[in-house]
Amino acid sequence: DIVLTQSPGTLALSPGERATLSCRASQGVSSSYLAWYQQRPGQAPRLLIYGTSTRAAGIPDRFTGSGSGTDFTLTITRLEPEDFVVYYCQQFGDGRWAFGQGTKVEIK
Amino acid sequence: QVQLVQSGAEVKKPGASVKVSCKASGYIFDDFGLTWVRQAPGQGLEWTGWINTYNGNTESAQKVQGRVTVTAEKSTGTAYMELRNLRTDDTAVYYCARVFWDGAGSYGVDHWGQGTLVTVSS
Repeated sequence: DIVLTQSPGTLALSPGERATLSCRASQGVSSSYLAWYQQRPGQAPRLLIYGTSTRAAGIPDRFTGSGSGTDFTLTITRLEPEDFVVYYCQQFGDGRWAFGQGTKVEIK
Repeated sequence: QVQLVQSGAEVKKPGASVKVSCKASGYIFDDFGLTWVRQAPGQGLEWTGWINTYNGNTESAQKVQGRVTVTAEKSTGTAYMELRNLRTDDTAVYYCARVFWDGAGSYGVDHWGQGTLVTVSS
């Protein structure tokens, strides 16, 4: 099964700064099969990005996805106060799907 | 509007079974898949399984394979996840969520139920 490893576990930044979140797969993942989610405390996850780089409906353009093969990145260009939450990547390849363990973005 | 409404919280003893339902509305049921994702208290998301509601094909995570059954009733637009031989580490919020795929073959999960807390305790 494909395992996703997200880094860092926690990212401490200030509002207005740029956040770069990494998601590394244990084997190659098709770019069609990589998505990113945001989860606020007590809420269900929200889809941000699918197909590696396509923003979901209503997602602001400060969220950008990129990558290929085994290395994928979610970039938040200018952090807003509501962005300081947890982010997960997910892969849909290999029959069995999987999430990364998450990256928490916290206020520095 | 798209809605996924799940059944209520459950408390079970180790070794018992639980069946969680997910009633979909606001879209054509078998044009999308449904997936189950769980989240233990204070932990991350864990994919559990999914069903292609059009053809009934399913897949489940290795950790629960053999103990989980995912089904869907097209007539009622309802999906179910049954987990058997429950263990204390199955305690989690279980989410059902809608799976889509676009013309380019990209997948995503775009609508989520409210979650169902399953507590396994002796």
